[in-house]
Formats: sequence, C-alpha cells, structure tokens
Amino acid sequence: AQKITQTQPGMFVQEKEAVTLDCTYDTSDQSYGLFWYKQPSSGEMIFLIYQGSYDEQNATEGRYSLNFQKARKSANLVISASQLGDSAMYFCAMRDGNYGQNFVFGPGTRLSVLP
Amino acid sequence: DAGVIQSPRHEVTEMGQEVTLRCKPISGHDYLFWYRQTMMRGLELLIYFNNNVPIDDSGMPEDRFSAKMPNASFSTLKIQPSEPRDSAVYFCASSPGLTYGYTFGSGTRLTVV
Repeated sequence: AQKITQTQPGMFVQEKEAVTLDCTYDTSDQSYGLFWYKQPSSGEMIFLIYQGSYDEQNATEGRYSLNFQKARKSANLVISASQLGDSAMYFCAMRDGNYGQNFVFGPGTRLSVLP
Repeated sequence: DAGVIQSPRHEVTEMGQEVTLRCKPISGHDYLFWYRQTMMRGLELLIYFNNNVPIDDSGMPEDRFSAKMPNASFSTLKIQPSEPRDSAVYFCASSPGLTYGYTFGSGTRLTVV
C-alpha cells in the first residue's frame, strides 16, 4: 500500500502567486515525521521543511509552510510568492517506525512557475 | 561544511562490468543512506548504516549489489556484474539522527549499456 500519496503529477502557477502541493500519508504510528524535498533539474535533493506529528504549530521556513492536518493525514506544502527558481520536482516524505527507521518518499509533483 | 560528496557524478559502463559508487557523508552524521531513483519506481531506499554498521539492507535488489562503510567518512555501493536495468541515479544521504531530515549528495547517474 502507498504510504505517501501525491495526487498532482504536475502543477502550474503564475509567478508571485501562492501554490499548494498536496500530500497524504498512511501510518498507524503515533510518532512520525513529515518532510518536503525539492529536486531542481540539476538533480540534487534539497531539504525544505519538517513537521513532527506532535508539533501543534504548522512548520514554516521562509516562503514555505506546511499545512498539517493530522486527522486527515495530510501535509500539504504551501509556497507563497512563487519564483521562477521554484520550478522543480517536489517530494513529500515520511519517517515512521518504532525508532524512525522507515523513511519513504512519495512519487513527487512537478511544479512549473510561469513568468 | 562541504556537504555529502558523491563520486563519480556520471558513470557509463558496459553490461557485466563492476561499478563502484562512492560517498563521503557529512562529518558527525551517524546515519548514511543509499537511495536509487528511477522514473518508474521513484526514490527507493537500498540500505542504511548507523555508526558504520549496516542496519537495513532489505531494499538491496539482489546479490549483485553490495555496500560497505569501512569508516565514518566513507561508504561504497558496488554492483557486480552490472546490468542495463541498474541504470538510475544513485543518491547517498546522511543524517545526524533518525528524527532529522537527510542531507543528500548530488547523486551518481549510472548508465549501463
């Protein structure tokens, strides 16, 4: 069964607008972590933001914020004021397991920012 | 901090040849991970080490794949013999602990012809 689902294979957004990338997850653990990574066309994987399952506040890092809805098991990434350099693949990932040993990535969403 | 360093960046080899990918993790990171990325299967965890000890190698596709970590600053992933279906980008990542995000290397793009 898929542990991480990203239902949007591709997304377009106009420069300077906000965009939400969807992520839903499946776990029976109470303690887990959620991550977002960016992979530009150059290929490297860049860590963006982290949300712990016990964190009461939504995580924010600059223009990135994570809309964490625990009951719905969703962890959507919100990018505000999109820039051309935001065009990339975005991966949602989750760590769970008794001691956090399971780390799985979703299939990714390709974001294209239009000028 | 130079980040996670992988070499080579690109490797083209003939089917049947041995391929060795190399990784230097960030100093002080106790965990090292090898991932493979393909269009069909996305990012797959192959194996990970904690303090140089292999903890979970259940993702290693078959016996042709082996990984070692002789010390805290170096790891190798070896494929012998290589096959065309091994063509992928192989990432090494390191982390100070399991509750932290990973820092990835730039990857090695392997092409087996």
